[in-house]
Amino acid sequence: QPVVTQSSSASASLGSSVKLTCTLSSGHNKYIIAWHQQHPGKAPRYLMKLEGSGSYNKWSGVPDRFSGSSSGADRYLTISNLQFEDEADYYCETWDSGWVFGGGTKLTVL
Amino acid sequence: EVQLVESGGGLVQPGGSLRLSCAASGFTFSTYSMNWVRQAPGKGLEWVSYISTGSGTIFYADSVKGRFTISRDNAKNSLYLQMNSLRAEDTAVYYCARDEGWLSYWGQGTLVTVSS
Repeated sequence: QPVVTQSSSASASLGSSVKLTCTLSSGHNKYIIAWHQQHPGKAPRYLMKLEGSGSYNKWSGVPDRFSGSSSGADRYLTISNLQFEDEADYYCETWDSGWVFGGGTKLTVL
Repeated sequence: EVQLVESGGGLVQPGGSLRLSCAASGFTFSTYSMNWVRQAPGKGLEWVSYISTGSGTIFYADSVKGRFTISRDNAKNSLYLQMNSLRAEDTAVYYCARDEGWLSYWGQGTLVTVSS
């Protein structure tokens, strides 16, 4: 089963861009992943599906500032023009006879 | 509007049982696989269980296998999680989530606390 690794924290300034990384374990670099956003005390919110080719499909209502990309086993979520409301935990997930989540990245907007 | 509403959480002693429910509305429940995902206080997301549309395919995380049972009633638009032999480490908010190749919609969650 794949292991999904995320940095525990990231920070960036208001109005800047940040790139969050989700890394798939060896042998799983073609897996599709999904990104989710979770604000404190709230349920997770699905953002997008991201393929190994870098092609992504955003969910309805997700701002244009959010985009995805891929390189090998790495899957990225880039947030441009950061807003205070983007401060949240971000999780990636993939599937292999069950959903596998990364540990999440806590994003702080300075 | 898609809605998933969990219920049934509460305080239970170690070794006890609890049954969670998830009421679905705003979509054709019978055509979607469903999942339970939990989140311990201050921790990340942990997938618990999956059930296919007709209940023919079911998966469990190793941490709950043999203790938890997922089920659904398509006539009642409802998903269930029967939790037996509960342990302190099962303490978490439990979410139901709609599956369409990714977890597209999540309920607000119900808190399960296992403590004496």
